[in-house]
Amino acid sequence: EAGVTQFPSHSVIEKGQTVTLRCDPISGHDNLYWYRRVMGKEIKFLLHFVKESKQDESGMPNNRFLAERTGGTYSTLKVQPAELEDSGVYFCASSLAAGGVAYNEQFFGPGTRLTVL
Amino acid sequence: RKEVEQDPGPFNVPEGATVAFNCTYSNSASQSFFWYRQDCRKEPKLLMSVYSSGNEDGRFTAQLNRASQYISLLIRDSKLSDSATYLCVVKASSASKIIFGSGTRLSIRP
Repeated sequence: EAGVTQFPSHSVIEKGQTVTLRCDPISGHDNLYWYRRVMGKEIKFLLHFVKESKQDESGMPNNRFLAERTGGTYSTLKVQPAELEDSGVYFCASSLAAGGVAYNEQFFGPGTRLTVL
Repeated sequence: RKEVEQDPGPFNVPEGATVAFNCTYSNSASQSFFWYRQDCRKEPKLLMSVYSSGNEDGRFTAQLNRASQYISLLIRDSKLSDSATYLCVVKASSASKIIFGSGTRLSIRP
């Protein structure tokens, strides 16, 4: 079974440009998460989709970031306009279910390394 | 204060040694605890969940101390392949987001 995939693996853009990252979760996983790791810092939560709905977007840094998951399958994360501090690794993860007492393992994609010059 | 704190290391130990990491968390309402492993330039992967009674998986043992709000990971008979960054992860409730520590780097030398 295919894991979580992300595209592109690397992106180098100039400040002010737009970049769109894509995540394809594991088939059948309703829950999709975006995380970011900036240099020297811990991985931080950005937002959580349940199917096509945003369950929690409390981690989104500002309105330059827009995440979508139309149809509840793949998701995109657009940064417009990109700033220098947006550089980092953007991870996507998916899980089968998020509710209940038991934890449902989040499977991470390989990440997209974004560099804003 | 960070929600999840870890000693960044690096821990540099010889093959075969036993090594232990601790992690502290600030939210006393936290319910779920995990250790993830992340290899250089790779994605995090779940190593093991941490249960109140403590749990063991082969050479790995995880412990939880709710009173002191810390989690530990013990690796026995360390292998070269154990070299990685170990991430402590905490979840406040079933519906909440997961919080990562900044990770502890482990390097096993021959």
